[in-house]
Amino acid sequence: GQQLNQSPQSMFIQEGEDVSMNCTSSSIFNTWLWYKQDPGEGPVLLIALYKAGELTSNGRLTAQFGITRKDSFLNISASIPSDVGIYFCAGLNTNAGKSTFGDGTTLTVKP
Amino acid sequence: DAGVTQSPTHLIKTRGQQVTLRCSPKSGHDTVSWYQQALGQGPQFIFQYYEEEERQRGNFPDRFSGHQFPNYSSELNVNALLLGDSALYLCASSRPGDTEAFFGQGTRLTVV
Repeated sequence: GQQLNQSPQSMFIQEGEDVSMNCTSSSIFNTWLWYKQDPGEGPVLLIALYKAGELTSNGRLTAQFGITRKDSFLNISASIPSDVGIYFCAGLNTNAGKSTFGDGTTLTVKP
Repeated sequence: DAGVTQSPTHLIKTRGQQVTLRCSPKSGHDTVSWYQQALGQGPQFIFQYYEEEERQRGNFPDRFSGHQFPNYSSELNVNALLLGDSALYLCASSRPGDTEAFFGQGTRLTVV
């Protein structure tokens, strides 16, 4: 079946640093999604990417949809303590409900 | 405007028992998807309900079943619980054609 590989698995950074994480797939997706999950909560959508090569920003977050449609990256600039959490990539081909998720990147930001 | 609500928030069951989890979708949403999230992993798609029918299903055994009611709320049932069914069960709601699905905070199921 479809599988998404996220890296790195975890990151420990200093407040103010930039962060980069990526996601690769063995299959093509038509849409890539990036979510953040805080403890005790469900995932919250950060950015959605719809076209190969697309670069999209949302505040300090920037994400790109790879040309091959098999990969994506997420950058966070000037990290702050509230950026702490688990970041998931997800691929989507059909509709909003059925997404294939990676296993997440856990981000820790030290003040 | 209430978001996606799930109940209960936590649940402890004994191996072999049956469990029912409940989900109310976000206002205006008619599609409900269920996910299982094991500790340290990403959510895995179980199935999706639309117009009171199961429309898509992931790689889960028949012990996992569901239902959607006319008011779009949904239930997830798991029979003959196994220790490995311990996980966070997430419900997500959406509208047909939308990319974004909104997640509830989940039900933490522990099987002992």
